[in-house]
Amino acid sequence: DTEVTQTPKHLVMGMTNKKSLKCEQHMGHRAMYWYKQKAKKPPELMFVYSYEKLSINESVPSRFSPECPNSSLLNLHLHALQPEDSALYLCASSRPGQDSNQPQHFGDGTRLSIL
Amino acid sequence: KQEVTQIPAALSVPEGENLVLNCSFTDSAIYNLQWFRQDPGKGLTSLLLIQSSQREQTSGRLNASLDKSSGRSTLYIAASQPGDSATYLCAVSEADDMRFGAGTRLTVKP
Repeated sequence: DTEVTQTPKHLVMGMTNKKSLKCEQHMGHRAMYWYKQKAKKPPELMFVYSYEKLSINESVPSRFSPECPNSSLLNLHLHALQPEDSALYLCASSRPGQDSNQPQHFGDGTRLSIL
Repeated sequence: KQEVTQIPAALSVPEGENLVLNCSFTDSAIYNLQWFRQDPGKGLTSLLLIQSSQREQTSGRLNASLDKSSGRSTLYIAASQPGDSATYLCAVSEADDMRFGAGTRLTVKP
């Protein structure tokens, strides 16, 4: 069991659907992250929230919209996705970057398939 | 831009062998380096974190070293077991940003 919980575990959606991925942690971490991982590739950073404010957006298309409603929750809203967006989406949390001895904790991810 | 490289890409060893996984990075201005394990279709499990001021960390059969000036880290696994089979990823942190290597896929044969 991980301390970062992601729902749903699997999601299949059409290109015209709107859906959301959810991530929750109760470790008191104030930095939360979204990563995208394609098969047999390393995770690629998408977004970073630090103290509930978006601090890094790695040039992600606008069809992905992150939201951090409070310090424990992180959402990723999806709209008009493309087949190439099919991937494992990982959420992570940590203390913010200046605390260099704290690791990032990852959830088990949401496996997303776009039809 | 930070680039992280891991070699070998894949490794197969018989049970009981000691082994070393390698990681290199191009920019030495890092906060820390982490080694992760990933099982197929799963998330990442943090194994060891080495702060930029440290040289090594140990946990059980695992030992990770860091030479920041040369941009290198190694993960040593002693007395490998079939349950160690997984993909091992190293990642370097710069503030809130983390960059991963492509991983080493390890198979330990009984």
